[in-house]
Amino acid sequence: GQQLNQSPQSMFIQEGEDVSMNCTSSSIFNTWLWYKQDPGEGPVLLIALYKAGELTSNGRLTAQFGITRKDSFLNISASIPSDVGIYFCAGQLNTGNQFYFGTGTSLTVIP
Amino acid sequence: NAGVTQTPKFQVLKTGQSMTLQCAQDMNHNSMYWYRQDPGMGLRLIYYSASEGTTDKGEVPNGYNVSRLNKREFSLRLESAAPSQTSVYFCASSRARGGLTDTQYFGPGTRLTVL
Repeated sequence: GQQLNQSPQSMFIQEGEDVSMNCTSSSIFNTWLWYKQDPGEGPVLLIALYKAGELTSNGRLTAQFGITRKDSFLNISASIPSDVGIYFCAGQLNTGNQFYFGTGTSLTVIP
Repeated sequence: NAGVTQTPKFQVLKTGQSMTLQCAQDMNHNSMYWYRQDPGMGLRLIYYSASEGTTDKGEVPNGYNVSRLNKREFSLRLESAAPSQTSVYFCASSRARGGLTDTQYFGPGTRLTVL
């Protein structure tokens, strides 16, 4: 299967700080998604990206579809305690319906 | 609006036992999916159904079977459970009919332990 590498694996930050994480692949994707998963719950969609270079915001979250179509980035501004969770990227190749998921970035926000 | 629901939430099996995980969605979505989530490995696709009446293998189909009972329901069956199938199982659905770009919505998961 496709390998999506997420970086960093985990982050410990102070409340109010900004957060950046990324997802890279050796393959070209035509769609990138970012999900957040709270403990004991299923992933919840945060942002969907459909075009290279696209920059999309959802409140304090901003995600970008990389120009090379092999990467994507997620930024969280002014973090708050409820941002705690695991953030997953997912990518879809040019053909087919399957999404491939990254291994996740675990975020801890220290009040 | 319930979205995607899964039953049971927790299950413990002995090696060799069989069971069926149930999933239903009320969003009138065409496509449905089963994933497993293991520590450090992200989500991996087991099977999917691009439309009612069709099913296809994903990345890790061995040891599983699926049934798309109708548009709403998609079940996952373990015929002879093995410890390697201990995992958290997620069902998801999306609006698109197979082959199209679309986003997926997930259920709350089933935590399965095989002893």
